[in-house]
Amino acid sequence: DTAVSQTPKYLVTQMGNDKSIKCEQNLGHDTMYWYKQDSKKFLKIMFSYNNKELIINETVPNRFSPKSPDKAHLNLHINSLELGDSAVYFCASSPGATSRYNEQFFGPGTRLTVL
Amino acid sequence: AQSVTQPDIHITVSEGASLELRCNYSYGATPYLFWYVQSPGQGLQLLLKYFSGDTLVQGIKGFEAEFKRSQSSFNLRKPSVHWSDAAEYFCAVGGGLSGGSYIPTFGRGTSLIVHP
Repeated sequence: DTAVSQTPKYLVTQMGNDKSIKCEQNLGHDTMYWYKQDSKKFLKIMFSYNNKELIINETVPNRFSPKSPDKAHLNLHINSLELGDSAVYFCASSPGATSRYNEQFFGPGTRLTVL
Repeated sequence: AQSVTQPDIHITVSEGASLELRCNYSYGATPYLFWYVQSPGQGLQLLLKYFSGDTLVQGIKGFEAEFKRSQSSFNLRKPSVHWSDAAEYFCAVGGGLSGGSYIPTFGRGTSLIVHP
């Protein structure tokens, strides 16, 4: 069983379109995250949800809107896609962001290419 | 604020040679330290972690890391590298409180290239 899964794995789309990425974890974790990895492999946290509540919202354009219907799912919707949004987006989960033992479990990533 | 520095962007080693990847951290209290590996086209996988106790920690795939408080370092080592170890390696420090949550900070990664 996959612990953290994401769909789709690849996403190729035109500028201006709207797209969504879905994430699910079956680890029973309380906290989920979205990270963006750029072409130089730099990993930057975007959002974090703890039990469906948004707890971290880094400086991310309003075009990005996360949604957590329950603590096992975290989706990312992106409006009006731009060239600079091209990156690999990783979903992750952890037992709880209120613990310092905050080991992250990552999904396989979604490679988004905006043309 | 916590931070992590991985001074080497790329490291090239021959298969069978030993490996050491450097990681320096900045953190005011006892750090919580992690090494992750990202194989091509995949997500990050935890190799090992240090929270307290023995400063030499063992991880998966034959990796180990040593915590040195005096040097603010947590270097990753492997005695004999295999071609399958070619990947991106990330050091991370946790324990920093942000908005009521402990969010880890990742280094920029070191790309390991293994020559046959």
